[in-house]
Amino acid sequence: RKEVEQDPGPFNVPEGATVAFNCTYSNSASQSFFWYRQDCRKEPKLLMSVYSSGNEDGRFTAQLNRASQYISLLIRDSKLSDSATYLCVVNGANNLFFGTGTRLTVIP
Amino acid sequence: DAGVIQSPRHEVTEMGQEVTLRCKPISGHNSLFWYRQTMMRGLELLIYFNNNVPIDDSGMPEDRFSAKMPNASFSTLKIQPSEPRDSAVYFCASSTTGTSGDEQFFGPGTRLTVL
Repeated sequence: RKEVEQDPGPFNVPEGATVAFNCTYSNSASQSFFWYRQDCRKEPKLLMSVYSSGNEDGRFTAQLNRASQYISLLIRDSKLSDSATYLCVVNGANNLFFGTGTRLTVIP
Repeated sequence: DAGVIQSPRHEVTEMGQEVTLRCKPISGHNSLFWYRQTMMRGLELLIYFNNNVPIDDSGMPEDRFSAKMPNASFSTLKIQPSEPRDSAVYFCASSTTGTSGDEQFFGPGTRLTVL
């Protein structure tokens, strides 16, 4: 079983829509959770950390459900510039495990 | 401040040739990671250094792959001999400490094509 599993998408949504991505992780001992963003042919970059109580950064909201080992990312009022691949990331003993990513395209 | 620097950005080589990828981490970062990314398998950790010492190389696919970090500002990933299935984007990343809660900063990657 993979450490982190995500729906690969693609998700095609109109501008202004709300879209949610989910991922599950296998190691119940994981303590650190992140969402990274990767633009086409670019490197991954940290979008936001995910805290136990849930956290928000502008139009982005991240949630963690430890009991179900489930992480989500909600994007409100989608912009064209949100088009990218979103990677769910979970810590291991010494490193990070990356999901394969969910591709989002925001359509005008 | 410069980010993680990788070279070359693109490499096209023939099967059997030796390939060397280079990375300069962000100054002051103590941890360095080499990843490989393909469409099928996503981003896979190959090897991880902390204070120039290899900590976990369990992701290195086979003996054809080797990595070194002779000092805090330079690391190499070598493939010898290269095979077509090694074609991928290879990323180097660095972080401030060895704890897995740190943000990792990625370089622009090396796109490798083995013919």
